[in-house]
Amino acid sequence: QQQVKQSPQSLIVQKGGISIINCAYENTAFDYFPWYQQFPGKGPALLIAIRPDVSEKKEGRFTISFNKSAKQFSLHIMDSQPGDSATYFCAAKAGANNLFFGTGTRLTVIP
Amino acid sequence: GAVVSQHPSWVICKSGTSVKIECRSLDFQATTMFWYRQFPKQSLMLMATSNEGSKATYEQGVEKDKFLINHASLTLSTLTVTSAHPEDSSFYICSARNALVDQETQYFGPGTRLLVL
Repeated sequence: QQQVKQSPQSLIVQKGGISIINCAYENTAFDYFPWYQQFPGKGPALLIAIRPDVSEKKEGRFTISFNKSAKQFSLHIMDSQPGDSATYFCAAKAGANNLFFGTGTRLTVIP
Repeated sequence: GAVVSQHPSWVICKSGTSVKIECRSLDFQATTMFWYRQFPKQSLMLMATSNEGSKATYEQGVEKDKFLINHASLTLSTLTVTSAHPEDSSFYICSARNALVDQETQYFGPGTRLLVL
């Protein structure tokens, strides 16, 4: 059973465009929602995270939008660059419990 | 700060042999370490959670006698794949957190690619 559903599976964006990745969850106990970036052959790296008491968090070109009532959250990458090409995972956690990962989105930014 | 290393970064072994993978937190004390497995183009699958000085908690479907986890110190955890078979070939990733400081953030290692021939 997939606790966190992620879409799309793959995404191609033109350089300078906006990349949008969506995730949805069912467990209302989740209270921490991080996004990870993973390059081929490397471990995931924490990109940005949000808690459900805010609807948006921005760090540089990366923004998380959070809709608590819809149980959805999304990652927006503004001014996408070829160097952003990677696989992105959303995740969710309840308290001190384990992280549940989405299925990943392979982003390709074309010059 | 918050760097996690893994060793080796890749390993090739013969079927039936055992392989040990180390996970170290270099600049913080890891009260909890996690071991994940990732198949090509797939998500991370949690295998087990280990707290320093305690026995690991394995996820359903993960054989504890096959994947031995030791977390003897606050900076080191090891995963031993015993009697490895080709189907154990995968990318193994550890992560660590210091629950006494931050219960949320996990720092991931760079992963170890295992190929069993």
